[in-house]
Amino acid sequence: DSGVTQTPKHLITATGQRVTLRCSPRSGDLSVYWYQQSLDQGLQFLIQYYNGEERAKGNILERFSAQQFPDLHSELNLSSLELGDSALYFCASSATLGEEKLFFGSGTQLSVL
Amino acid sequence: SQKIEQNSEALNIQEGKTATLTCNYTNYSPAYLQWYRQDPGRGPVFLLLIRENEKEKRKERLKVTFDTTLKQSLFHITASQPADSATYLCALRSYGGATNKLIFGTGTLLAVQP
Repeated sequence: DSGVTQTPKHLITATGQRVTLRCSPRSGDLSVYWYQQSLDQGLQFLIQYYNGEERAKGNILERFSAQQFPDLHSELNLSSLELGDSALYFCASSATLGEEKLFFGSGTQLSVL
Repeated sequence: SQKIEQNSEALNIQEGKTATLTCNYTNYSPAYLQWYRQDPGRGPVFLLLIRENEKEKRKERLKVTFDTTLKQSLFHITASQPADSATYLCALRSYGGATNKLIFGTGTLLAVQP
């Protein structure tokens, strides 16, 4: 158990809908990362937050947004969902901004039908 | 463009042999490189980190090498076991400009046959 909690584990929704994925980092970790993993794209970096502030951005679509709250949990919001958004979404955390190793949650499997 | 390449074909080896996985990168200046293990339906798990000024790192049956001239890292598992079967991902963090994030390769599936 990595100590990173993601909910829900599975999410099935329809095109055009909006969903929210939640992540609780390991106790004491200030940095949260979101990754998307699909079969053809591998593990793609979306966005990183540190202590409530956005610190790095990857190939995150404009339809996607995220935030980190004062209690350090994070949410990834996906809107106007398309079939191609179906993927496994991972959250990871690290203790500090420059901390090297990441601890990953078990992921949220999103299926857009 | 920046690329991290791992052998997309599965690597099949016999139990007891040494597995060697390759990670090549282009147009990066990594401060360090990491290796993770991922089992189906699970999140990646950190294994080893090697810095740009280190040539080799070991941990139990695992060994990582890092050649910044060749822009390549090799990941070795000695005396492999069926329980080592998983996908192995390399990841690197590059500093410079706005790039300060951990980027992953696509991974190589290792299958160790008993």
